[in-house]
Amino acid sequence: EVQLVESGGGLVQPGRSLRLSCAASGFTFDDYAMHWVRQAPGKGLEWVSGISWNSGSIGYADSVKGRFTISRDNAKNSLYLQMNSLRAEDTALYYCAKDPSIFGGFWFDPWGQGTLVTVSS
Amino acid sequence: QSALTQPASVSGSPGQSITISCTGTSSDVGSYNLVSWYQQHPGKAPKLMIYEVSKRPSGVSNRFSGSKSGNTASLTISGLQAEDEADYYCCSYAGSSTPNYVFGTGTKVTVL
Repeated sequence: EVQLVESGGGLVQPGRSLRLSCAASGFTFDDYAMHWVRQAPGKGLEWVSGISWNSGSIGYADSVKGRFTISRDNAKNSLYLQMNSLRAEDTALYYCAKDPSIFGGFWFDPWGQGTLVTVSS
Repeated sequence: QSALTQPASVSGSPGQSITISCTGTSSDVGSYNLVSWYQQHPGKAPKLMIYEVSKRPSGVSNRFSGSKSGNTASLTISGLQAEDEADYYCCSYAGSSTPNYVFGTGTKVTVL
């Protein structure tokens, strides 16, 4: 069974940093692109970032470009999101999601349960 | 790039059919047959219901169907059931521009 388990969320002050992790199991991790998608409280879904199987292709939403960095460690079956210069508007539930292809560009399935990031002083 | 436009809410009685529209642009929905739909129950993670405009993943009821015409995609739920009450989001690949993916604004489906 494919499982994605996010961790690393919490309460952080504006301007500080946080690193999210996503532990993957149940599939050959380095055969697939991966993504981060977030959902602000009571709001809709927003794609944040995606990374191809070998980290050769990476994309970011304009809202996080220059502040967030996505990475993966295929040896550890793990996906990461380094979030710097956090803002109140980054407050959201962050989901890790699997892409059905190695390069990305398709859809998201499955999703983890999410990890909550709250940016507040 | 703006979010895809969905109606805020759609309702129907058990057994009826409803359709949720998802309007984008020629840069996203209109350019790629990579529209997907997600169902989200309160407090739960989104679940893939439709991919590549009209394909259903294994395990998803055939009461769910998708289509596309021009810049507008649609999700139809036939034989509406109480368990279908949830939020639904469309999503389209938008190419190599940023963002690469655009989600819809979301639609709350209520079963009367």
